[in-house]
Amino acid sequence: NAGVTQTPKFQVLKTGQSMTLQCAQDMNHEYMSWYRQDPGMGLRLIHYSVGAGITDQGEVPNGYNVSRSTTEDFPLRLLSAAPSQTSVYFCASSKRSGRSLTDTQYFGPGTRLTVL
Amino acid sequence: GQQVMQIPQYQHVQEGEDFTTYCNSSTTLSNIQWYKQRPGGHPVFLIQLVKSGEVKKQKRLTFQFGEAKKNSSLHITATQTTDVGTYFCAGPQLPASYDKVIFGPGTSLSVIP
Repeated sequence: NAGVTQTPKFQVLKTGQSMTLQCAQDMNHEYMSWYRQDPGMGLRLIHYSVGAGITDQGEVPNGYNVSRSTTEDFPLRLLSAAPSQTSVYFCASSKRSGRSLTDTQYFGPGTRLTVL
Repeated sequence: GQQVMQIPQYQHVQEGEDFTTYCNSSTTLSNIQWYKQRPGGHPVFLIQLVKSGEVKKQKRLTFQFGEAKKNSSLHITATQTTDVGTYFCAGPQLPASYDKVIFGPGTSLSVIP
C-alpha cells in the first residue's frame, strides 16, 4: 500500500492564480481531511470529509474548496491564491470506528506552497 | 469554539533527562490523540486515549488522560536524540462534531547529546 500520497511536493504560485492540490489514499478510508501548518500554529483543519459526496468545513475554510467524488481522492482547490496561503499542506485519512469516532489519522508527506 | 492548548511551546533537554508536555482543552474531549512530527516530516500517530483517567505506556513514553477529560500529558523518560521533534495533541471539536479534529500548537523538543 502506498498509504496517503500528495502531489505536488512543492509549488510556487503568483497571487491570484488557482491550483489544485491532489491527495489520494489506497486504504479504503472513509474519513479524509486537509490541514495547513504554519510556524508556531500547529495544524489547522481546512476541510474534511466522512465519505464520498460528503464534505464539511474545518477551522480555516475560506479561500479553499474541496469535493469528494470517490473514496480514494480528496483534492483541495485554491480559488485565487494569496500570500497568506503560503504554508505546508497535509492531507490525512482515517477509518471511522464506532459512532462517528475517528481513528488513527495517516498523513501524507505534505505540499509546500509559496504564494508570491 | 473549542481551543486546545499545549505547554511548553519549546523544551530543550540534555540527553537522558525526562520530558513532559501538557495538553489542555477548553471543553471536555471524547478522546485525545497524540502525534509526533520529526523536522521536515509529517505527523505520525502515537496513541489514542478514550477513557477518563486512562494511562497508556509505549516503552519510554507514558500518556495520561485527565479525570475530567479536559487535559492530557505525554511524559518521556530518559530522552534520546531520536525523540527530537514536535509533539501534538488532537481531539474532536465537540459539541460541534466528532469528526472535526483540532490540533494543539505542539511542543517542540530538542535533545542535546
